[in-house]
Parts: sequence; structure tokens; C-alpha cells
Amino acid sequence: AQTVTQSQPEMSVQEAETVTLSCTYDTSESNYYLFWYKQPPSRQMILVIRQEAYKQQNATENRFSVNFQKAAKSFSLKISDSQLGDTAMYFCAFMTGSGGSNYKLTFGKGTLLTVNP
Amino acid sequence: KAGVTQTPRYLIKTRGQQVTLSCSPISGHRSVSWYQQTPGQGLQFLFEYFSETQRNKGNFPGRFSGRQFSNSRSEMNVSTLELGDSALYLCASSSGGGADGEAFFGQGTRLTVV
Repeated sequence: AQTVTQSQPEMSVQEAETVTLSCTYDTSESNYYLFWYKQPPSRQMILVIRQEAYKQQNATENRFSVNFQKAAKSFSLKISDSQLGDTAMYFCAFMTGSGGSNYKLTFGKGTLLTVNP
Repeated sequence: KAGVTQTPRYLIKTRGQQVTLSCSPISGHRSVSWYQQTPGQGLQFLFEYFSETQRNKGNFPGRFSGRQFSNSRSEMNVSTLELGDSALYLCASSSGGGADGEAFFGQGTRLTVV
């Protein structure tokens, strides 16, 4: 079974600064996908960024980028130029790429990020 | 394009009762997944449906069940409610399930069991 670990329950950052959220995972699969989701106080989960394990290049979406270290099974999220609206719970998630019967996301426990003015 | 709609948003039930939650996916999406979110256990996968067929199921007791209709709308049912069933229940829809299509989440149904 896959597991996802987020070792930082809470983090804070000053507006306009950069912050990195950590995530490690454990799997025996070679084909899989990794995601970062954001859950603001409204409770709606929003996809921030995704990474295909077979791609060596780290994914980037505007101010959000990842550092994907496949051998170390590490998938950290870097948020640049932090904004007040980035305040939310961030979840790292895993999905096997086997297809067929594995259409589920396995989530970490989350990191509560607070951006201070 | 309308997003994923979950109804009701809030629900209070008594132990022993049953409850039905509804999820209307984004138009054209055929995959619907359900997740339970609690402070203690975090986000846990319940089940996933595609074209009215359950393709995957999480480790929940048989009291938790679901179904999907021909219009892709999905319902989940919890029978004989327990206090521990109090949670936020999230529904996600995607075009085909898996990682090819992005999963869009609804705002959830907050269930409180008293």
C-alpha cells in the first residue's frame, strides 16, 4: 500500500517570501502521479500542481513549483512570492498510474500554511 | 460550466439513522469519487464510480455504500450511523478517472452525528 507523509503540520511565511512544503511517499510502483492540493477555509479542494513520475522535469505552475526526487521518494512544493490568498491547508497526494482498478488518491495529513502580512 | 455540486451542505443526524448524500459532477464527467475527511484520519478514499460501475473501494465497513446513475450523478449512503461517521464528505469528478483527467472537488457535505 502507498503512504504519503507530510512532516510539517503547520508553517508560516511572510507575504512575498518563499516557502517550501515537504512530502515523502512510499510505493513499489514505477508508474504513478503526484499532486499538491490546496484546501482553503471554504473547504473546496483545488489542484495546485501535478507531476508524472516518468517525467524528470519538475512541474511548474506560475508561482508554484515542485522538487521531485524520485529515488528519494520526495515531492516538495515551493511557493514563491507568497500571497495572503495562499493561506490554506496543503495536501500532498499520490495516485498509481496502473489504471484499471486504482482510481484513487492517497493523501498526506496536510500542512497548514499561514501567510502573514 | 457548473462545478461539482454536493447536497446538502450540512446535515445533522442521530446515531442509528441512515443518511444519503448527493453529488452532481461536472457536465460530461463520468467518474465520481468519494472521500471522507476527519481531523483524526485525514482524507480517506471511500469509492469510485464510472459509468454506473464501482471500480474501486476503500477500507470502509459495509454500512458505507454508493451508486451512480446514468446521468453520472452519484449518491452515497451510510446506514446505522455512528458518532465516528461525523466528517466532511467530499466528492470529486473527472472525465475518465485515473490521473489523465483532473479531479474537481465539490465543497463537501458536513455530516454531524449526535
